Amino acid sequence: QVQLQESGPGLVKPSQTLSLTCTVSGGSISSGSYYWSWIRQPAGKGLEWIGRIYTSGSTNYNPSLKSRVTISVDTSKNQFSLKLSSVTAADTAVYYCARAVGFWYDYWGQGTLVTVSS
Amino acid sequence: DIQMTQSPSTLSASVGDRVTITCRASQSISSWLAWYQQKPGKAPKLLIYKASSLESGVPSRFSGSGSGTEFTLTISSLQPDDFATYYCQQYNSYRQTFGQGTKVEIK
Repeated sequence: QVQLQESGPGLVKPSQTLSLTCTVSGGSISSGSYYWSWIRQPAGKGLEWIGRIYTSGSTNYNPSLKSRVTISVDTSKNQFSLKLSSVTAADTAVYYCARAVGFWYDYWGQGTLVTVSS
Repeated sequence: DIQMTQSPSTLSASVGDRVTITCRASQSISSWLAWYQQKPGKAPKLLIYKASSLESGVPSRFSGSGSGTEFTLTISSLQPDDFATYYCQQYNSYRQTFGQGTKVEIK
């Protein structure tokens, strides 16, 4: 059974960089044809796709966030990571990591709340 | 950008009711649509993919249909565990987008 777990600071100051890591267990991140993705959800609102990385390392990002987002993978640690630069209060949200088979998400992390505040 | 519009935003129903949620795309997405269920404080759970394929382990009372621009999620007989918010997701383009959600409440 694949499991995903987000980790990282719960509080980030405005203008700084948000950094989160997703640790995958129960399977190798580099096996199979999967996209490893980040999705966020502001409190009381809907879901927003941030971006994804393929096992080859190729990435796709939401154009509205592309200039600030970097997603990377560390196969030796079975982890992938999110960096979002120049954050503002609008980036406050629950951040989920998820595995995509094709384009649909079959496994999700539990989510981690990141608050942007000074 | 492809916009996804769900209706209704909120739905009040009773246990045993047949429930239908609609998702409309601003342009054709073929059958590239998924449905998720989300409960408060939890991650979304995949119910349906490719518009009508039931994810393994999901009860058969859930079904999806549609293609092109109009899609529906149907719960044939609403159960207590089904009170939640439901989201559609399109993936016709790599910029995936979700609908705004439909909250199914107890009537």
